[in-house]
Amino acid sequence: KNQVEQSPQSLIILEGKNCTLQCNYTVSPFSNLRWYKQDTGRGPVSLTIMTFSENTKSNGRYTATLDADTKQSSLHITASQLSDSASYICVVNPPGAGSYQLTFGKGTKLSVIP
Amino acid sequence: DAGVIQSPRHEVTEMGQEVTLRCKPISGHNSLFWYRQTMMRGLELLIYFNNNVPIDDSGMPEDRFSAKMPNASFSTLKIQPSEPRDSAVYFCASRRDGPSSYEQYFGPGTRLTVT
Repeated sequence: KNQVEQSPQSLIILEGKNCTLQCNYTVSPFSNLRWYKQDTGRGPVSLTIMTFSENTKSNGRYTATLDADTKQSSLHITASQLSDSASYICVVNPPGAGSYQLTFGKGTKLSVIP
Repeated sequence: DAGVIQSPRHEVTEMGQEVTLRCKPISGHNSLFWYRQTMMRGLELLIYFNNNVPIDDSGMPEDRFSAKMPNASFSTLKIQPSEPRDSAVYFCASRRDGPSSYEQYFGPGTRLTVT
């Protein structure tokens, strides 16, 4: 069983609308949790990073939340734009200096239509 | 900064042929990672180099896969012989290890198709 589960698998929304993507993880303990945006044909790019002690982190129209008790994270996108169409990947980083074995979710594919 | 550079961007080859993927990490970064991405399995770590030394190659699928990092600015991932199930997007990522940041920066990927 994947230790990072994302939902929904895909999502279509109208331009200007808000949406929320979910990430449930079982990796424990962990150092930080990141959300990556991956445009079609490109590599993933980090959007937000939260340590286990943080509850929320914003980056422009993107707001990530983290509930360490329920092991859930969400990514909220406000006033969506066509350029938000991409896959969004939740990634958990294990603790320890030099840790490298990231655990990736399979991503949510978001399509923003006019 | 040019970012992580990968070549080729697309590769189509026939089963049994040798394939070599190339990566130039960001200057000053001392860790390098090769990943494979498929729809079914998502992103999987293949191998991790630190200061040009392979630290963890447990993700390399089998002996057909090999990776080298002869210097701090170049790495290759080779598949010999290639098989249709190797078709995927291969990403190289690099990072600069430090006390407060372990962010990996991904290249644009190489889309490999083995027919």
